[in-house]
Amino acid sequence: AQSVTQPDIHITVSEGASLELRCNYSYGATPYLFWYVQSPGQGLQLLLKYFSGDTLVQGIKGFEAEFKRSQSSFNLRKPSVHWSDAAEYFCAVGAIDSWGKLQFGAGTQVVVTP
Amino acid sequence: KAGVTQTPRYLIKTRGQQVTLSCSPISGHRSVSWYQQTPGQGLQFLFEYFSETQRNKGNFPGRFSGRQFSNSRSEMNVSTLELGDSALYLCASSPGDRGVDEQYFGPGTRLTVT
Repeated sequence: AQSVTQPDIHITVSEGASLELRCNYSYGATPYLFWYVQSPGQGLQLLLKYFSGDTLVQGIKGFEAEFKRSQSSFNLRKPSVHWSDAAEYFCAVGAIDSWGKLQFGAGTQVVVTP
Repeated sequence: KAGVTQTPRYLIKTRGQQVTLSCSPISGHRSVSWYQQTPGQGLQFLFEYFSETQRNKGNFPGRFSGRQFSNSRSEMNVSTLELGDSALYLCASSPGDRGVDEQYFGPGTRLTVT
């Protein structure tokens, strides 16, 4: 069965500092990986996805993620955070036969301090 | 293109009642997935519909049901509401012609059961 682990429940980062959010997945075949962001009271917004090809993926809002098959990881990074990046971030995994089902991690809450 | 819309945004119901939530996907998308989000269980997949057929379902009791119409709009119904059904219900749309695809989420319906 697929599973996704986000080891950090909560991260505090200073505005302007770099951010890295960890995601580890467990899946036997080729995973299809996603990062979403959720602001309070809102739905989820897709930041980026990895299906195949280049293992470094660029997304919206200056985010990028790197797929490392050997480590079963898909970590999200941003070089310099803005106060508006405060939100909850979710990593998700799907499979070629998911048919609409994504398996989500528990999420990482990011707090940005001045 | 207009995004995914969900109605109503907020609902308050009493135990034992039933409720119907509605989701209109992005124009051209034929797949609609439903998720339940709670603080304790996180994001859990309910079911997915494509071209009016349920293709996949999660591990929820039969009180949770759904349907999809010919215009791809989808509804989910919860009968005999329980306090534990209080949650944010999210729907997501995607083109649906692949086994896995990026999903676009609506703002959600916040259901409170008293």
